[in-house]
Amino acid sequence: GAVVSQHPSWVICKSGTSVKIECRSLDFQATTMFWYRQFPKQSLMLMATSNEGSKATYEQGVEKDKFLINHASLTLSTLTVTSAHPEDSSFYICSARAPPAGGSRGEQFFGPGTRLTVL
Amino acid sequence: AQSVTQLGSHVSVSEGALVLLRCNYSSSVPPYLFWYVQYPNQGLQLLLKYTSAATLVKGINGFEAEFKKSETSFHLTKPSAHMSDAAEYFCAVMLGGSSNTGKLIFGQGTTLQVKP
Repeated sequence: GAVVSQHPSWVICKSGTSVKIECRSLDFQATTMFWYRQFPKQSLMLMATSNEGSKATYEQGVEKDKFLINHASLTLSTLTVTSAHPEDSSFYICSARAPPAGGSRGEQFFGPGTRLTVL
Repeated sequence: AQSVTQLGSHVSVSEGALVLLRCNYSSSVPPYLFWYVQYPNQGLQLLLKYTSAATLVKGINGFEAEFKKSETSFHLTKPSAHMSDAAEYFCAVMLGGSSNTGKLIFGQGTTLQVKP
């Protein structure tokens, strides 16, 4: 299957700093990427939808000024957590959606996740 | 509104025993349903999906799930558990069904423990 990478895999930062997380589709062009957040022992919550060349669409309750999303190319989306605070500590997972092809309906492939710890 | 509910946050089975992980859905449109597996500190891997074709869906690693509209269920089964099946399992419904938005709404997850 297709591969999606995330970088870094884990990051520790001080409160008040900003952290950028990259999501890359390695062997396909992703028309759409999604960002999810997962608290320990909990489910994934969709944060936003990222489309190449356009503004991200945020889910209700997600602060767009705090979680900046940039989808600069068909293979790269970035999530920047601005002025991070301890409550932002979480596991952030991206997924990339391949364009429909043949019988495929644009399957999503998930990255391995980035664990953010804010001190 | 669409949602999924996974019954049982923790399921424990013996190696070789039947695995049954329960998922019920709520959807105002014909649903697209998914099962994913997550190993510790990793992303999600698709096990199988239902997109309005055959109601019995076979996936990877010997898993299968049956879509039952009358019961609004999409339970995941495997005839014989292996130690390597121990992981977190998530049921998900795609927002908008066949409109294929790509947005997934996940259940709470079920931790599968496999005892030797």
